[in-house]
Amino acid sequence: KQEVTQIPAALSVPEGENLVLNCSFTDSAIYNLQWFRQDPGKGLTSLLLIQSSQREQTSGRLNASLDKSSGRSTLYIAASQPGDSATYLCAGNTGFQKLVFGTGTRLLVSP
Amino acid sequence: DAGVIQSPRHEVTEMGQEVTLRCKPISGHDYLFWYRQTMMRGLELLIYFNNNVPIDDSGMPEDRFSAKMPNASFSTLKIQPSEPRDSAVYFCASSKTGTGGGGYTFGSGTRLTVV
Repeated sequence: KQEVTQIPAALSVPEGENLVLNCSFTDSAIYNLQWFRQDPGKGLTSLLLIQSSQREQTSGRLNASLDKSSGRSTLYIAASQPGDSATYLCAGNTGFQKLVFGTGTRLLVSP
Repeated sequence: DAGVIQSPRHEVTEMGQEVTLRCKPISGHDYLFWYRQTMMRGLELLIYFNNNVPIDDSGMPEDRFSAKMPNASFSTLKIQPSEPRDSAVYFCASSKTGTGGGGYTFGSGTRLTVV
């Protein structure tokens, strides 16, 4: 059974810092790994998708990497802004269209 | 595109009452998922459909929960009878075949409170 863990559970940084969010999964037989953002009281917004054959994806200030051998993915946020404050969730897809979510990292970026 | 539309946004009901949550997926998406989010358990997949057919309902907690998808543009999740422990945010999501995560679009959720 796929289990996904995210560290840290919460993170508070001043504006402008570069930061890394971590995600680890127990089953390396993963089809793809996706990062989502969730704002309070809102649904989930897809940020980046890394397919099994890929090692990383980039979108603007965001970069996500996937290392299947170690069962880890990281989300790198460059030059953080207050608008980046949200909960970030990673989710693994083992190939049956089912996403297994981590518990999330709650990020607060202070002006 | 209006995205995945869920209704109602908030629902407060008394224990024992029937609750029906509704979802309209994105047109052209052939997968539909129902998730539940709580502080204790995070996001859990309840059931998902492919081409209106239920594929995996192993996440449905009890027989009190049922889901239907009568056509490609509508799905319901029903709880009967409701209990306080059912209080959570229920999300609907849809995706296209083969795209997996990249195709997932979530609705804004229904916040259910059972008192």
